[in-house]
Amino acid sequence: QVQLKESGPGLVQPSRTLSLTCTVSGFSLTSYGVSWVRQPPGKGLEWIAAIWSGGSTDYNSALKSRLSISRDTSKSQVLLKMNSLQTEDTAMYFCARFRQLGYFDYWGQGVMVTVSS
Amino acid sequence: DTVLTQSPALAVSPGERVSISCRASEGVNSYMHWYQQKPGQQPKLLIYKASNLASGVPARFSGSGSGTDFTLTIDPVEADDTATYFCQQSWNDPNTFGAGTKLELK
Repeated sequence: QVQLKESGPGLVQPSRTLSLTCTVSGFSLTSYGVSWVRQPPGKGLEWIAAIWSGGSTDYNSALKSRLSISRDTSKSQVLLKMNSLQTEDTAMYFCARFRQLGYFDYWGQGVMVTVSS
Repeated sequence: DTVLTQSPALAVSPGERVSISCRASEGVNSYMHWYQQKPGQQPKLLIYKASNLASGVPARFSGSGSGTDFTLTIDPVEADDTATYFCQQSWNDPNTFGAGTKLELK
């Protein structure tokens, strides 16, 4: 069955770089795209970045200068890097499979990232 | 960016019908999708492209609308439907989410 699982550090110091990994199973990254979506505590959802099945990438323009999304198809992993972290980047980070129409049909359980010294 | 406006909260009794609205600041065609999120869990897809029921979702859930006004309807509401419901548009770049409607049962 389709599964996505996020991994990464729970705590990151301000101004440092965050690296997150999404490991997928049950589908191929060359057939489906994967996005990252975050949710600050008690707040709504914010789309961050996407990598399409063909390998092209899209970023939220508000965060674009700080982001990099890539993939390793041999490992079925999607990688997200975000630099210059600030306290407002504290959030649950989800990876999700997205369909051509733009909706997210499967989500990982999320990984909580806290930015604090 | 396209702003999606949702009512913050609703309270209904089990067995009733509830409609959750989502209004877009600009047209999104029919590219509106709905998710359910329970505390401590990831979002779950309910409806895609305004009115299409996602796989495994009970037929008590339905969606309607086009352009700027959309509605998610639950009929009848069950106790397990206590959750926050988010709308998401994918017509305009970047795709955006509403702030969510928290559904509580009386």
